[in-house]
Amino acid sequence: DIQMTQSPSTLSASVGDRVTITCRASQSISSWLAWYQQKPGKAPKLLIYKASSLESGVPSRFSGSGSGTEFTLTISSLQPDDFATYYCQQFEFGQGTKVEIK
Amino acid sequence: QITLKESGPTLVKPTQTLTLTCTFSGFSLSTSGVGVGWIRQPPGKALEWLALIYWNDDKRYSPSLKSRLTITKDTSKNQVVLTMTNMDPVDTATYYCAHSFLRYGISFDYWGQGTLVTVSS
Repeated sequence: DIQMTQSPSTLSASVGDRVTITCRASQSISSWLAWYQQKPGKAPKLLIYKASSLESGVPSRFSGSGSGTEFTLTISSLQPDDFATYYCQQFEFGQGTKVEIK
Repeated sequence: QITLKESGPTLVKPTQTLTLTCTFSGFSLSTSGVGVGWIRQPPGKALEWLALIYWNDDKRYSPSLKSRLTITKDTSKNQVVLTMTNMDPVDTATYYCAHSFLRYGISFDYWGQGTLVTVSS
């Protein structure tokens, strides 16, 4: 079974900050990784697929990188709309990273 | 325009079997590369992937729940059905179905609104 581990679990940041979230797979998953944003009471929204491909309509401040077992989601300049919980996913999901206002 | 909608009981008793239906439009599950998956989220907790069925009837299940899950498709009705046996209060969650396309890897680009299922006697 492949386990996905995200860090940190919670992240406090300010508008304009550069934010990085890490996801590690328990074994190599090549580039088969997606990132999602979820806001309370809403379905998740796909941000990144195949580790680094930006989903259509997603702002370019979001980027993904990595392959094998280590991946990152970066928000280059945090905006007010970005305060949410973020998940990585191969088949299994990571445990989530909540981005809070500092 | 791709849409998906989950339907099924809102309340089930412990030990019962849950049957959820995902009815979709805007795509066909007979198109090469297309899949539909199920994901759940207990209140206040993380997302959990459950199962995924592809256009060619390839089926994938969460290893931890595999013995309790069955996913099937009815291409003519544009529906995917998930059954989960031996329900327990810890299975209380919002259950989502979502569209997947192999070209974009193992990702879900369109989601239903979700349906809350409560397990209680």
